[in-house]
Amino acid sequence: GDSVTQMEGPVTLSEEAFLTINCTYTATGYPSLFWYVQYPGEGLQLLLKATKADDKGSNKGFEATYRKETTSFHLEKGSVQVSDSAVYFCALTDNNAGNMLTFGGGTRLMVKP
Amino acid sequence: KAGVTQTPRYLIKTRGQQVTLSCSPISGHRSVSWYQQTPGQGLQFLFEYFSETQRNKGNFPGRFSGRQFSNSRSEMNVSTLELGDSALYLCASSPLGRLAEQFFGPGTRLTVL
Repeated sequence: GDSVTQMEGPVTLSEEAFLTINCTYTATGYPSLFWYVQYPGEGLQLLLKATKADDKGSNKGFEATYRKETTSFHLEKGSVQVSDSAVYFCALTDNNAGNMLTFGGGTRLMVKP
Repeated sequence: KAGVTQTPRYLIKTRGQQVTLSCSPISGHRSVSWYQQTPGQGLQFLFEYFSETQRNKGNFPGRFSGRQFSNSRSEMNVSTLELGDSALYLCASSPLGRLAEQFFGPGTRLTVL
């Protein structure tokens, strides 16, 4: 079945550092890919998405490019802020599976001032 | 527009009991999905309802069930609770035609003693 693997955390960075969180996937079809963010005590929020190969999703300074050849969707941000501290989830949906999301294990990001 | 609401936010039950959780989607959203989040298993898909019909089901035992009403509100029920059912249960709603762009509620924290 489909699966998502992302780097384990926690990832600890200083403010203004460059962020990369790796995400790779396995899927039988042509999935859509997502990054969700979860702040403490809250539900998940969609951060960005990409629906086909070579698409780049971007939002709030975060970017991720759908790489079919490497089955990857790495999350990047050029300069993190303390307010970016949260848990980040990479996810996919098989375009034939309705709204069922398959999630990675999550990566906790801690940004220190 | 109000977001996805889930009630109750916190719940404590004992083994063997049953529980019902409620989810009110964003107005106009007809798809409602449920996920279980635990430290060990991460985020796992339970089921999705669309127009009162179950459209997808995850790999959970029959003790987990759900339904959707004509106003798109959804409930999930867990019978014969086990300690391992302790988790954060997240509900997500999605508008028609926007594949898997889901909006999550804050979750219900269930503790089974």
